[in-house]
Amino acid sequence: GAGVSQTPSNKVTEKGKYVELRCDPISGHTALYWYRQSLGQGPEFLIYFQGTGAADDSGLPNDRFFAVRPEGSVSTLKIQRTERGDSAVYLCASSLTGRLNYGYTFGSGTRLTVV
Amino acid sequence: QQQVKQSPQSLIVQKGGISIINCAYENTAFDYFPWYQQFPGKGPALLIAIRPDVSEKKEGRFTISFNKSAKQFSLHIMDSQPGDSATYFCAASTMGAQKLVFGQGTRLTINP
Repeated sequence: GAGVSQTPSNKVTEKGKYVELRCDPISGHTALYWYRQSLGQGPEFLIYFQGTGAADDSGLPNDRFFAVRPEGSVSTLKIQRTERGDSAVYLCASSLTGRLNYGYTFGSGTRLTVV
Repeated sequence: QQQVKQSPQSLIVQKGGISIINCAYENTAFDYFPWYQQFPGKGPALLIAIRPDVSEKKEGRFTISFNKSAKQFSLHIMDSQPGDSATYFCAASTMGAQKLVFGQGTRLTINP
């Protein structure tokens, strides 16, 4: 596609529920990133994929968070037993080669609200 | 640990004026410093970036000034326009790390 697509754009869930957030990167981009942006803050790194493998998952806050990219394209961020503190905008980005000096292209994000 | 500190949190500039946003970093291993622009409801978009081997980079009305000894860098927007009204984020990384550390953001408003 022309840009990074994230679905859904908004998700409201109850505390304790499981959610999945989807990211469709730009076609041909091998690197994919997930960031979390809390209200009034800058994005915080969660995880980076190069192809199908998670090259760096050091930003995942705890074991309730998990992400996959089984075919090296679409990625899903999974959050178990959601908590109110998980409420944020989850941003996905992709880049052609994974080299930072080419810049990321971010999607518009999924706004997750845990009530 | 706050590795990139950004100021001011908000800034109001008159149309045609110069907007200046500052960032300071702690990690001397950082070697890539981009600025991102974010409009409401959208993801951040890369505006301009600099490596520490140069002290200044200019692209159109946007200039990054970099001071390696002070561990500071700034974004200057010349001839600011109402369409520049957005939130701006500085960021930093090491080229090998593949992840960015963002500042807290500056909400810029350009008054017509």
